[in-house]
Amino acid sequence: EVQLVESGGGLVQPGGSLRLSCAASGFSFSTYSMNWVRQAPGKGLEWVSYISDSGTFIYYADSVKGRFTISRDKATSSLYLQLNSLRAEDTAVYYCARDLEVVPGTIFFDYWGQGTLVTVSS
Amino acid sequence: EIVLTQSPATLSLSPGERATLSCRASQSISTNLAWFQQKPGQPPRLLIYGASNRATGIPARFSGSGSGTDFTLTISSLEPEDFVVYYCQHRSNWPPITFGPGTKVDIK
Repeated sequence: EVQLVESGGGLVQPGGSLRLSCAASGFSFSTYSMNWVRQAPGKGLEWVSYISDSGTFIYYADSVKGRFTISRDKATSSLYLQLNSLRAEDTAVYYCARDLEVVPGTIFFDYWGQGTLVTVSS
Repeated sequence: EIVLTQSPATLSLSPGERATLSCRASQSISTNLAWFQQKPGQPPRLLIYGASNRATGIPARFSGSGSGTDFTLTISSLEPEDFVVYYCQHRSNWPPITFGPGTKVDIK
């Protein structure tokens, strides 16, 4: 059974840092691209970042570029998101989501974790 | 950046009725569109990918159609558990990957 379990959220002051983790199990982690998606309280979904299966390709939303860093560890089947220079508008539930490419060019998020809440407030 | 617009924002219907949700893209995305359902306090669940393909385990009452810029999610006969929020999301000419603002289906 595919499982994605996020951790590392919490309350942090503006300008602070946090590191989120996503522990993957039930599938061959190193063969799947992964993403972070966030959802502010009561709001819609916002894609944050992508990392390819090998870690070669990395992309960010403009809203987090230069402040957040995505990474992955094949040995521990873990995905990470380092959040720096946090702002109030970064307050959200952060989900990790797996990519599935059924045919070249047809890619979608097929599994999601339960999410971890990040609150940026003084 | 491709912008997705969903309509209506809220759809008020009764159990057993047919629901038709719309998603429009600001430029052609072929069939690179997915639909997600989100229940309160839960992560999104994939319903439809490639505009019209039902994901594993999704009931047949859910169907998707469309290509280019106009897409539709249809729920043929609403069950009580279907009264939640639905999002469309594209995966064409990315990054960025964007979601629509969502349509809430509530009980009339």
